[in-house]
Amino acid sequence: DGGITQSPKYLFRKEGQNVTLSCEQNLNHDAMYWYRQDPGQGLRLIYYSQIVNDFQKGDIAEGYSVSREKKESFPLTVTSAQKNPTAFYLCASRPSGSSNEQFFGPGTRLTVL
Amino acid sequence: QKEVEQNSGPLSVPEGAIASLNCTYSDRVSQSFFWYRQYSGKSPELIMSIYSNGDKEDGRFTAQLNKASQYVSLLIRDSQPSDSATYLCAVPMFSGGYNKLIFGAGTRLAVHP
Repeated sequence: DGGITQSPKYLFRKEGQNVTLSCEQNLNHDAMYWYRQDPGQGLRLIYYSQIVNDFQKGDIAEGYSVSREKKESFPLTVTSAQKNPTAFYLCASRPSGSSNEQFFGPGTRLTVL
Repeated sequence: QKEVEQNSGPLSVPEGAIASLNCTYSDRVSQSFFWYRQYSGKSPELIMSIYSNGDKEDGRFTAQLNKASQYVSLLIRDSQPSDSATYLCAVPMFSGGYNKLIFGAGTRLAVHP
């Protein structure tokens, strides 16, 4: 059963804590992305990775970090430096050679207590 | 000017009517355009892609593209209450030093019985 999985579905964080959001895909896609969505707003790009062991900052990378050690996995860490982390986090992947269409995982809703 | 603009809505239509969703974009060289549907609390789902001027039909959905006017629209015929969702327009652009998918803020559609 192919697809993109994200875990956990809901995550609660105390101020000052780092948390890591998981994103896994078994679609053999090279490119993977992390977005943040706030209520009533569009998606904003946090980080993206075109290939294993390479990733680039997006528009709002401050306070976040990523790794891409395996093709299937692109975890996102929300650090204590991110001042307003409460949001809906979406992971996406793109087929190799495609015309930029991206497919999304189910998302993780992060709430800071 | 925002790179991708959509009317936030809500757009309210009666069941069975045609819903028309509009999107304008700023980059004249964009070649591909995508419509995503996002139900409340869920992740975006790709429903239409269009690459050439004119119309593309898929079931009850028709995407219309006019590159000269930098305008793409989505028509939903025979609207159903299950079509009630936020519809996101997405356009690939070269911005900030890399290719990325720019999302509009979305138009909320409400189909009432």
